[in-house]
Amino acid sequence: DAMVIQNPRYQVTQFGKPVTLSCSQTLNHNVMYWYQQKSSQAPKLLFHYYDKDFNNEADTPDNFQSRRPNTSFCFLDIRSPGLGDAAMYLCATSRVRGLDEQFFGPGTRLTVL
Amino acid sequence: GQQVMQIPQYQHVQEGEDFTTYCNSSTTLSNIQWYKQRPGGHPVFLIQLVKSGEVKKQKRLTFQFGEAKKNSSLHITATQTTDVGTYFCAGTAAGGTSYGKLTFGQGTILTVHP
Repeated sequence: DAMVIQNPRYQVTQFGKPVTLSCSQTLNHNVMYWYQQKSSQAPKLLFHYYDKDFNNEADTPDNFQSRRPNTSFCFLDIRSPGLGDAAMYLCATSRVRGLDEQFFGPGTRLTVL
Repeated sequence: GQQVMQIPQYQHVQEGEDFTTYCNSSTTLSNIQWYKQRPGGHPVFLIQLVKSGEVKKQKRLTFQFGEAKKNSSLHITATQTTDVGTYFCAGTAAGGTSYGKLTFGQGTILTVHP
């Protein structure tokens, strides 16, 4: 039973061509996170939603945006992907912020040509 | 800002040997979580420690949280090939305005040779 679903699993885009990654959850969790993970590195938090409240990390480039139209769905928009944005993008959820485990989706592998 | 350091970066062991990874935070933590990421997979939650000096066990895995709540360790006894993967610690800074943000360590990549 999938709990955090990400689509697509693999995305290829061209330099500068906007791309949208999607995440959905069946857990009814309040918090949804977007992480960027590059090869052999730790996940890096880009931003998160606590319900409808959007929280951006200070070092997240303006090139990255997010939308959460409802509890179940969250989108990551990369307005003008650069070669350095090629990475695995992980969506995660938790019931509350802080003292709660995070459930990760399988990730979307983004390739920028 | 908060930093979480994890060592070693890589560990190669023979099947049956023990394995330990260590995590140190620059600041006092409210809690520490451990995740395992299999090759090609996504992080999967293993456990959370909250209390000073806490020790928890899951079969062959033993997790410890330091008395000062600034360090933690994961010990695997008698490794098996199924233990292969990257083990991440992730901590939440105590107090402050971090809203409970998890800061991940760099991870330890475990390879087990049969």
